[in-house]
Amino acid sequence: AQSVTQPDIHITVSEGASLELRCNYSYGATPYLFWYVQSPGQGLQLLLKYFSGDTLVQGIKGFEAEFKRSQSSFNLRKPSVHWSDAAEYFCAVGASHMRFGAGTRLTVKP
Amino acid sequence: EADIYQTPRYLVIGTGKKITLECSQTMGHDKMYWYQQDPGMELHLIHYSYGVNSTEKGDLSSESTVSRIRTEHFPLTLESARPSHTSQYLCASSAQTEIISGANVLTFGAGSRLTVL
Repeated sequence: AQSVTQPDIHITVSEGASLELRCNYSYGATPYLFWYVQSPGQGLQLLLKYFSGDTLVQGIKGFEAEFKRSQSSFNLRKPSVHWSDAAEYFCAVGASHMRFGAGTRLTVKP
Repeated sequence: EADIYQTPRYLVIGTGKKITLECSQTMGHDKMYWYQQDPGMELHLIHYSYGVNSTEKGDLSSESTVSRIRTEHFPLTLESARPSHTSQYLCASSAQTEIISGANVLTFGAGSRLTVL
């Protein structure tokens, strides 16, 4: 059965610092992987996706993620965090049926 | 600009009331979904539809029901609301990607936050 684990419930970083959000997945075949972001009071917005090919994928808002099959991971990174990045981030895996992680809440300190 | 609309955004009602959460999308997507979101928990799929007159139950058992009479409309109904139904309900839609068959990119609405007293 497919599953997604986001080990960090809450992360706080200073504005301008780098960011890495962890995601580990369990999936029987080649996974389709996604990162979504949810700002307060809003729905989820797609940041980036991996279907195949280059394992480093670029997304919107300066985010990137790297697929590592050997580690079953799809970590999200950003070199310099902005205050507007404060939100909840969800990793997801799946094709016709998506499985989401529990999310990581990001707080950005001034 | 949102292409998938949910109403109401916030609803507070008493136990036993019937409620309908509306979801409409203007993208012509054939697939639509309802997810339940609670703090600190993964999103749980409660209903989905692959097209008109097609509805299926998701991974999480729910007392709600859905209908899909029109492509753009996917309402969720609770016949008799209870405090355990208090949650955020997210509607989403998707279309087959052009390149990869079977992989869906979801577009989400802003959510309906339901509180049952």
